[in-house]
Amino acid sequence: GESVGLHLPTLSVQEGDNSIINCAYSNSASDYFIWYKQESGKGPQFIIDIRSNMDKRQGQRVTVLLNKTVKHLSLQIAATQPGDSAVYFCAENGGAGSYQLTFGKGTKLSVIP
Amino acid sequence: SAVISQKPSRDICQRGTSLTIQCQVDSQVTMMFWYRQQPGQSLTLIATANQGSEATYESGFVIDKFPISRPNLTFSTLTVSNMSPEDSSIYLCSVEDLGAAQETQYFGPGTRLLVL
Repeated sequence: GESVGLHLPTLSVQEGDNSIINCAYSNSASDYFIWYKQESGKGPQFIIDIRSNMDKRQGQRVTVLLNKTVKHLSLQIAATQPGDSAVYFCAENGGAGSYQLTFGKGTKLSVIP
Repeated sequence: SAVISQKPSRDICQRGTSLTIQCQVDSQVTMMFWYRQQPGQSLTLIATANQGSEATYESGFVIDKFPISRPNLTFSTLTVSNMSPEDSSIYLCSVEDLGAAQETQYFGPGTRLLVL
């Protein structure tokens, strides 16, 4: 079936730098996307979401960009902090009216103090 | 967002036995889901727990192996039956409230299961 995938399985960044985590999705019917952060020993935590009628959405220190033409999603974290170290997952809903999420493989972000 | 708790938080079980995992939400929610996360991997949806009716299972998951209950809008259980070492995973419940402004799923802390 269709799936969501990530370009980079691991990412190391210096504290204070910006981080960019990428995600490619293949289900063109998906109209809702979410980024989750999962710290060691915890469940996934909602970070930010975006609908397909938008191409950019900003939160506190995080920005999600959506490029529907190439089916690409990215999460930008500004001024990365040690507390940002975690595995980040993108997820897609598979289309309007679908409540089930398909998750990408995850990117491990390590912040170097 | 809803506060979600799971019991037990972790367990070590012998093969051939069964374990029931509980998921409790602090408010009524429309949808509840169960996921499996194998070591170092992403999340895979097991089933949607439907209140008052049988759960809806994803491909590769069957009711005999993963029976699910959802007696009300705040509680669900997942049983992992006749366990084998391959069932060692994190089991996560999530909730989605269709009446909320956002159709976002929120996750519990997970149950870490090791089968010997």
